[in-house]
Amino acid sequence: GQSLEQPSEVTAVEGAIVQINCTYQTSGFYGLSWYQQHDGGAPTFLSYNALDGLEETGRFSSFLSRSDSYGYLLLQELQMKDSASYFCAVNDFNKFYFGSGTKLNVKP
Amino acid sequence: GAVVSQHPSWVICKSGTSVKIECRSLDFQATTMFWYRQFPKQSLMLMATSNEGSKATYEQGVEKDKFLINHASLTLSTLTVTSAHPEDSSFYICSARGPSGRTSTDTQYFGPGTRLTVL
Repeated sequence: GQSLEQPSEVTAVEGAIVQINCTYQTSGFYGLSWYQQHDGGAPTFLSYNALDGLEETGRFSSFLSRSDSYGYLLLQELQMKDSASYFCAVNDFNKFYFGSGTKLNVKP
Repeated sequence: GAVVSQHPSWVICKSGTSVKIECRSLDFQATTMFWYRQFPKQSLMLMATSNEGSKATYEQGVEKDKFLINHASLTLSTLTVTSAHPEDSSFYICSARGPSGRTSTDTQYFGPGTRLTVL
C-alpha cells in the first residue's frame, strides 16, 4: 500500500521560514509533488522533485532524498496569505497519492 | 496554461437522484484525468483514473457502478454519481495530467472542485 506522513499542523510568524516534512512509503515512485490548498478551494501545484536535491521556485523550495524516502517543502518570507493546507503527493507510476496534509497557520 | 475547469461548482440534490460532474482541460489535451473525493479537513482520496478511450481504473473500495466515469475525448471526463445518498456529500475534484514538457507530465492540474450536497 501507500503511506505518506506529514505533520498535521504548523504555526509560524510572518517573515519567518518554515519547513514541512513528508515521509513516504509506496510501491512505486516517480516523483514527489507539493500542493497548496486554501479552505474551500482546489489544490494548486507548487513544486515537483523527480531527482534528489533542491528545487527552488521563488519563496518556495522543495527537497527530495529518494534513499531516505523523504522530502520537504520550505517556505521563506512567510506571508499571511500562505496560511493554507499543504499536501505532499507521490507519483506512483500512473497514479498520485496524497499525504494527510499540513495546516500552516501564519500569525502577524 | 494547463487550465482545468469543472462544472458545476456546487450542486444540491435529493437522495436517489443522479448527478453528473464535468471536467475539462481547456488549453491542453489530457489523456489521463483523475477523480478525487475530499471530506472536510481530510486529504484527497483518489477514486479513479480515467484514460481517454478506455475504461476507468477504480481504487479499491470505490464502487464503479455508483461512480460512473466516462472519458470520451482528450479534453473531457465526466463523473456521474448514481442514486446519490447523503453519505456521498463531499467535495469532488478532478485533475488532469499536465501537457508534455520538461516535468509537467509528472504533475497534475486540478479543477476548482464540485461541492455535492445530497439531502
